[in-house]
Amino acid sequence: AQTVTQSQPEMSVQEAETVTLSCTYDTSESDYYLFWYKQPPSRQMILVIRQEAYKQQNATENRFSVNFQKAAKSFSLKISDSQLGDAAMYFCAYRSAETSGSRLTFGEGTQLTVNP
Amino acid sequence: EPEVTQTPSHQVTQMGQEVILRCVPISNHLYFYWYRQILGQKVEFLVSFYNNEISEKSEIFDDQFSVERPDGSNFTLKIRSTKLEDSAMYFCASSEWTGEPQHFGDGTRLSIL
Repeated sequence: AQTVTQSQPEMSVQEAETVTLSCTYDTSESDYYLFWYKQPPSRQMILVIRQEAYKQQNATENRFSVNFQKAAKSFSLKISDSQLGDAAMYFCAYRSAETSGSRLTFGEGTQLTVNP
Repeated sequence: EPEVTQTPSHQVTQMGQEVILRCVPISNHLYFYWYRQILGQKVEFLVSFYNNEISEKSEIFDDQFSVERPDGSNFTLKIRSTKLEDSAMYFCASSEWTGEPQHFGDGTRLSIL
C-alpha cells in the first residue's frame, strides 16, 4: 500500500517570502500522480498543482512550483511571494496511474501560517 | 467553472439513525468518490464508483455504508445506522477519467449526537 508523509505539521512564512513544504511517499509503482491540495478554514479541498511521475519536468502553476525527486520519492511544494490568502492546511496526495478509478492517498497535512 | 455540489452542508443526526449525503458531480465526469475527514485528521478514502458499480473501497467502508447513483446526476452516500465515530466532514469528488485530478465538493459536516 502507498503511504504519504508530511513531516512538518506547521510552517510559517512572512508575507512576500518563499516557503517550501515537504512531502515524501512510498510506493512500488512506477506510474502515478502526485498532487498538492489546499484546505482553507472553510474546509474546501482546492487543487493547487499536479505532477505526473513520468514527467521529469517539475510542474509550475503561477507562484506554486514543485520539486519532484522520483528516485528519492520526494515531492515538495514551493510557494513564492507568499500572500495572506495562502494561509491554509496543505495536503500532499498520491494517486496510482496503474489502477482504474484509483483512490487519493493523503498525507497528514501541513498548516501554513502567513504573517503580515 | 463546473463544480461538485454537496447537500446538505451540515447534517445533525441522532446515533442509530440513517443518513443520506448527496452529491452532484460535474456533468461529464465518469468517476466518483467519497472521502471523509475527522476533525483535525487527514482525509481518508471511503469508496470509488465507476460505471454504476463500486470500483474500490477502503476498510472504513463496511456494511453500514452504501453508495448509489439513483439517476444521471446524483451520487449518494448512505450510512445505515450512524455511530458517534461517524462524525466527520464527508467530501464527494469526481473526475473525468483516472488521469485527471479529482474535483472536490465543499463537503457535508455530519454531526452524530
